[in-house]
Amino acid sequence: DAKTTQPPSMDCAEGRAANLPCNHSTISGNEYVYWYRQIHSQGPQYIIHGLKNNETNEMASLIITEDRKSSTLILPHATLRDTAVYYCIVRVYNQGGKLIFGQGTELSVKP
Amino acid sequence: KAGVTQTPRYLIKTRGQQVTLSCSPISGHRSVSWYQQTPGQGLQFLFEYFSETQRNKGNFPGRFSGRQFSNSRSEMNVSTLELGDSALYLCASSLGIAKGTDTQYFGPGTRLTVL
Repeated sequence: DAKTTQPPSMDCAEGRAANLPCNHSTISGNEYVYWYRQIHSQGPQYIIHGLKNNETNEMASLIITEDRKSSTLILPHATLRDTAVYYCIVRVYNQGGKLIFGQGTELSVKP
Repeated sequence: KAGVTQTPRYLIKTRGQQVTLSCSPISGHRSVSWYQQTPGQGLQFLFEYFSETQRNKGNFPGRFSGRQFSNSRSEMNVSTLELGDSALYLCASSLGIAKGTDTQYFGPGTRLTVL
């Protein structure tokens, strides 16, 4: 079972920051948080991952709370092309490190 | 660097047939994982291979099998196809299996339709 909880859908205005929350209250100390997104019927695209420090790359920022029970993915300036389903995943290494996908958040970026 | 490639991209089969799907990982990647995506069940893990050995297997019947070759390319096979096997089959590759090398990158998928 997925160890994360995400809102099923969110809207964001084009050009504004999109903040996607994820709850992972049962995360263990050595488990990473990964974010992927999937644009309709394409393969999931890796976005970012982190353990406990905040992370930033060219696509997004990942903010993890100090207690590690939740995180937020931030797309700083959302465009229409960011419309996708966003998956927050806790990597469970005692199960071989496989990715366990939940239902994700369907983000709609609107003009 | 080229991404993960999967062939064929689309496939139509009939019940009872078998099918083989192919995955070529990113150059230098040695681990390959397979996932099935359906509208009802979402994305589910099938199996993972590293250095030609199956490391991990999901909760799927024995009709689903796979293998990895010495060049890291992988195939999965589904025998005695059922209507419920209609899905998008996704392959993902990673450099390795150790933390720090195990970020998975996905291919575009093979859309299998069983009639």
